[in-house]
Amino acid sequence: AQRVTQPEKLLSVFKGAPVELKCNYSYSGSPELFWYVQYSRQRLQLLLRHISRESIKGFTADLNKGETSFHLKKPFAQEEDSAMYYCALRGITQGGSEKLVFGKGTKLTVNP
Amino acid sequence: NAGVMQNPRHLVRRRGQEARLRCSPMKGHSHVYWYRQLPEEGLKFMVYLQKENIIDESGMPKERFSAEFPKEGPSILRIQQVVRGDSAAYFCASSKPSARAEAFFGQGTRLTVV
Repeated sequence: AQRVTQPEKLLSVFKGAPVELKCNYSYSGSPELFWYVQYSRQRLQLLLRHISRESIKGFTADLNKGETSFHLKKPFAQEEDSAMYYCALRGITQGGSEKLVFGKGTKLTVNP
Repeated sequence: NAGVMQNPRHLVRRRGQEARLRCSPMKGHSHVYWYRQLPEEGLKFMVYLQKENIIDESGMPKERFSAEFPKEGPSILRIQQVVRGDSAAYFCASSKPSARAEAFFGQGTRLTVV
């Protein structure tokens, strides 16, 4: 079964401080992992995916298969980063892709 | 490309009535997901569909809930005989078939059962 765990419901940091949003997953096969973000009054949108190994808005995330983690990091948080962040997993099988499953989300607040 | 469109944005139903939530995927997207979001909770998976086929409905309650994605027209999430506990935000997302494809979300339908 696919499972995504985000242990922190709320995370508050000061502007300029480093931020790390934790995500652990459980899946027996080969997963695709994503981070989605929801800014206030906006729809959920993709922030980054592990396969592309890119940095978006200063955020990076590395897939650690040994620890089954996909933590989201940013070295210097900005006030505009305040939002709800969701980690998501989609499994891959020989028959095709499986459902896209989300964690419960972490609300990040960046204080001035 | 207009993006994923959900309607209505807000829906009020009395207990026992039926609720129909519609989702029009992005052009070229053949896969649709439905999620429920309750207060203080994340996005709970309900059902994953492709046109004319349900791929995974493991998150759907066994009774009163059904979903379809016909060859023509939007995907429909149908809740029969609604109860107060069905009050939630329901989100739809669409994607291309690839496992690596980004899922694009609609703005959701907020269902209130009175």
